[in-house]
Amino acid sequence: AQTVTQSQPEMSVQEAETVTLSCTYDTSESDYYLFWYKQPPSRQMILVIRQEAYKQQNATENRFSVNFQKAAKSFSLKISDSQLGDAAMYFCANAGGTSYGKLTFGQGTILTVHP
Amino acid sequence: EPEVTQTPSHQVTQMGQEVILRCVPISNHLYFYWYRQILGQKVEFLVSFYNNEISEKSEIFDDQFSVERPDGSNFTLKIRSTKLEDSAMYFCASRGDRAIAYEQYFGPGTRLTVT
Repeated sequence: AQTVTQSQPEMSVQEAETVTLSCTYDTSESDYYLFWYKQPPSRQMILVIRQEAYKQQNATENRFSVNFQKAAKSFSLKISDSQLGDAAMYFCANAGGTSYGKLTFGQGTILTVHP
Repeated sequence: EPEVTQTPSHQVTQMGQEVILRCVPISNHLYFYWYRQILGQKVEFLVSFYNNEISEKSEIFDDQFSVERPDGSNFTLKIRSTKLEDSAMYFCASRGDRAIAYEQYFGPGTRLTVT
């Protein structure tokens, strides 16, 4: 069974500053993938970044990067130089590598960006 | 860029009625999924579909639900007799070959309101 926990229901950041969203997970699978999805008010699910568990190097996508601590089962998202358009709900998700890849989501973190 | 599409964007139905939610996944994808999100809650897995059959389903996906891929492009979710608690956003997602990429791409969702 897989579980994903996001302990921060809400976070806020000033425009141009850096914010980190936390996520912990638990899985019985040795091969798995981790994702961060962004959900703006339109409720569209947008993939932000992914991390393969077998890779030690932390993934980065422009202003978005992760801190993947496999032993601690922690997968945090860092947003640098925050922009007003980053305001959204952010979901952490886990997909098992040996299953058919269903995503297990955390509860989400609402990010507010202040001008 | 290819995208997942869903119709309708919003469906209102009366309790006890049947609804069919439609999705067109990305054309060369092999794995298909339905998720739902009750307002204010996390995204929950319903069912995955691969090689023309259900590969995995959740406890939510009971006998009232069914999925079909009637032709080479559409992927449908049918709810046979809707209940008030079926009111939610329903997302379709698709994924390519796991050897190449493991991320799922989501459609814009169908908002189902049961009255």
